[in-house]
Amino acid sequence: AQRVTQPEKLLSVFKGAPVELKCNYSYSGSPELFWYVQYSRQRLQLLLRHISRESIKGFTADLNKGETSFHLKKPFAQEEDSAMYYCALSPTGGGNKLTFGTGTQLKVEL
Amino acid sequence: ETGVTQSPTHLIKTRGQQVTLRCSSQSGHNTVSWYQQALGQGPQFIFQYYREEENGRGNFPPRFSGLQFPNYSSELNVNALELDDSALYLCASSLRGARNTEAFFGQGTRLTVV
Repeated sequence: AQRVTQPEKLLSVFKGAPVELKCNYSYSGSPELFWYVQYSRQRLQLLLRHISRESIKGFTADLNKGETSFHLKKPFAQEEDSAMYYCALSPTGGGNKLTFGTGTQLKVEL
Repeated sequence: ETGVTQSPTHLIKTRGQQVTLRCSSQSGHNTVSWYQQALGQGPQFIFQYYREEENGRGNFPPRFSGLQFPNYSSELNVNALELDDSALYLCASSLRGARNTEAFFGQGTRLTVV
């Protein structure tokens, strides 16, 4: 069975500090990995996906198949990064049938 | 371009009743997925509809059923409501067949079962 684990419910950092939100997954195959974000009072939206290899809003995530991880990183946190972040996976070609983790609330303090 | 819209936004039902939730997909999208998000949890995949047929289902009992209409809008029906069905129900639409397709989420329907 596929599973996504986000070990931290809450991560609190100071503005300008580096951020790393952890995500580990289990899946027998090659999944597609995603990070979704939900800002206060807004709907869930895609932040980035591993196949795009993009940096979005300064965030990057590298898929490590050996460690089955897809950690989200940003070198310098901004106040506007405060939000709920969900890691998710979908089977390759799975058409967005997403398995989500429990989420990490990121709080960036001034 | 119209985003994903869900109705109603809030709903209170009694245990044992039936409920229907509605979702209008984003313009141009042909696939709708439904998720249940309990308090403090991530969204859980219920099922997906493509071309008016169920195209994958998560670990939910048969009393959770759905429909997709020719205009790609969708309904989620839940029969014999239980207290544990209280959750935020999310709908997401996407375009199957497109490269690197993205799922766009609605704002959700908050269902409370009493």
